Amino acid sequence: ELKVEQNPLFLSMQEGKNYTIYCNYSTTSDRLYWYRQDPGKSLESLFVLLSNGAVKQEGRLMASLDTKARLSTLHITAAVHDLSATYFCAVDLYTGTASKLTFGTGTRLQVTL
Amino acid sequence: SQTIHQWPATLVQPVGSPLSLECTVEGTSNPNLYWYRQAAGRGLQLLFYSVGIGQISSEVPQNLSASRPQDRQFILSSKKLLLSDSGFYLCAWRGGPWETQYFGPGTRLLVL
Repeated sequence: ELKVEQNPLFLSMQEGKNYTIYCNYSTTSDRLYWYRQDPGKSLESLFVLLSNGAVKQEGRLMASLDTKARLSTLHITAAVHDLSATYFCAVDLYTGTASKLTFGTGTRLQVTL
Repeated sequence: SQTIHQWPATLVQPVGSPLSLECTVEGTSNPNLYWYRQAAGRGLQLLFYSVGIGQISSEVPQNLSASRPQDRQFILSSKKLLLSDSGFYLCAWRGGPWETQYFGPGTRLLVL
């Protein structure tokens, strides 16, 4: 059974600081997604990481994937309040008929002034 | 462009009542469709997925069922709701294996 673990579960950051969210998974996969969820809202796709060593950046967020270590990171640079949300990683596995995403537990990020 | 709709947006139902949640996708054909449930403050649990009309795969045995009567329509049902069925229900679609998965706006269900 695929397990996806994120840490930390909760992160309180000051504006302007840097931090990293970690996503570990238990089964080989070459595809990993990061999503953002604002309170009371649905999930928004942030990044798709397609292969070992993949790095994607959007604004103050940068995601990377190490398939050998089964680890993805989401790095936040100079946090701003607008980044406050819950972030989920999700690992893609193909069943033979469809791909299914298994989600991590989520990291609730709170950026304070 | 593709869009995904869910309704109703919110629902308050008594224990033991039936349930029907609907999800439709526009702008694509033969999407893979998914139903998830998110309990308050928790992660996402995959409930059902479908790769085509009439085809349903169940992930978690429970008192819920799903149907796909049309190519771009996915329905989640229950004959008798339990208190534990409360949560945020999210429908999602993707064009095929390995493609990005997009989520609908969700339905918030409260069972009293």
